[in-house]
Amino acid sequence: NAGVTQTPKFQVLKTGQSMTLQCAQDMNHNSMYWYQQDPGMGLRLIYYSASEGTTDKGEVPNGYNVSRLNKREFSLRLESAAPSQTSVYFCASSNPDRGNTIYFGEGSWLTVV
Amino acid sequence: AQSVTQPDIHITVSEGASLELRCNYSYGATPYLFWYVQSPGQGLQLLLKYFSGDTLVQGIKGFEAEFKRSQSSFNLRKPSVHWSDAAEYFCAVNDYKLSFGAGTTVTVRA
Repeated sequence: NAGVTQTPKFQVLKTGQSMTLQCAQDMNHNSMYWYQQDPGMGLRLIYYSASEGTTDKGEVPNGYNVSRLNKREFSLRLESAAPSQTSVYFCASSNPDRGNTIYFGEGSWLTVV
Repeated sequence: AQSVTQPDIHITVSEGASLELRCNYSYGATPYLFWYVQSPGQGLQLLLKYFSGDTLVQGIKGFEAEFKRSQSSFNLRKPSVHWSDAAEYFCAVNDYKLSFGAGTTVTVRA
């Protein structure tokens, strides 16, 4: 039972490079999310997708783009990485009812030098 | 807009002692509240959640939380802490997307 799978787990980028974080879930969930975690800041929502074909900005969308490729997959792209984007990124999924549990992947550690 | 405050950044507790982590929320309607735990280098695991019914909620790993509407609080408790409970704990409120508190780091001393 894989749940939410993120790749890569670790990545080092140079300033200005681009990359895509991949996320897939096998729980048939409609909603998917990308969160950013920095020390002392908790988790902040970057983008979310309430259902296949829709995406919306969260609290901290600047510098990121997303694609909901199909129901299973939701990718996060950094077009031109900046040192300020050094962070841990978590993908998550759920069904959209407010009482439903949101399940998280194990995280992707990104360093921009 | 909903928000969550965890007043304690870091708590140190002795193994076998009780633990209480505070969480205050701001939300206009009935809140859907969650506690997650994150061990170092890991993702987040759900400990428990509240959205209706009994205000005392039991979770995994011996944790419980009490919802108090009058105080806008959802504090997490454990009667006897184990060394494996050292982790970071996050309170969250769900309005179709989770909003997290800043987290409380728990250190357990022998």
